[in-house]
Amino acid sequence: DQQVKQNSPSLSVQEGRISILNCDYTNSMFDYFLWYKKYPAEGPTFLISISSIKDKNEDGRFTVFLNKSAKHLSLHIVPSQPGDSAVYFCAAMTLGVAGSARQLTFGSGTQLTVLP
Amino acid sequence: DAMVIQNPRYQVTQFGKPVTLSCSQTLNHNVMYWYQQKSSQAPKLLFHYYDKDFNNEADTPDNFQSRRPNTSFCFLDIRSPGLGDAAMYLCATSRDNQGLQETQYFGPGTRLLVL
Repeated sequence: DQQVKQNSPSLSVQEGRISILNCDYTNSMFDYFLWYKKYPAEGPTFLISISSIKDKNEDGRFTVFLNKSAKHLSLHIVPSQPGDSAVYFCAAMTLGVAGSARQLTFGSGTQLTVLP
Repeated sequence: DAMVIQNPRYQVTQFGKPVTLSCSQTLNHNVMYWYQQKSSQAPKLLFHYYDKDFNNEADTPDNFQSRRPNTSFCFLDIRSPGLGDAAMYLCATSRDNQGLQETQYFGPGTRLLVL
């Protein structure tokens, strides 16, 4: 049972345009969400996160939107650059009890290709 | 630079021959994780250490073991690799403080090939 789903395995966008990557989750206990970027032959790198008490978080060209009622989040990249071409993973966690490790549940990733 | 290091980056082993993957970190994080990622799939958590406490995921096969001799190092032992164990193995670390959520930092991964 996939608790975090990224239904689009790939996305192609023209340089300078907006990239929108989507993620859906089923576990209502999740209260913290992250996006990771992964280049080939490298491990995932943290990009941006959002707590369930917010509906938007912005960091430079990257904005994450959270719609709790729909259990949906999205990552917007504006403007998209060729260097943004990578696999993007959505991940979710439950902050849980203090002193316990907070485990991430990942989606299967979306390959973003930004065309020059 | 503080980082998570995994060795080797590529490992080839034979069916049934034990193999050990290593992870080290200079971040002084108290939590270390091992994930398995197969092609086009989400990384799947195998187990983690919270300080010295080992926490195994319910569906992690017995074939997979882990050791953490000190804060900086963590090992993944695959006792009898099968063809289905060929995957990318990712190590991650985080600092877990009460009331503070901390990001997980990943190493570059070790790609395991089983012949």
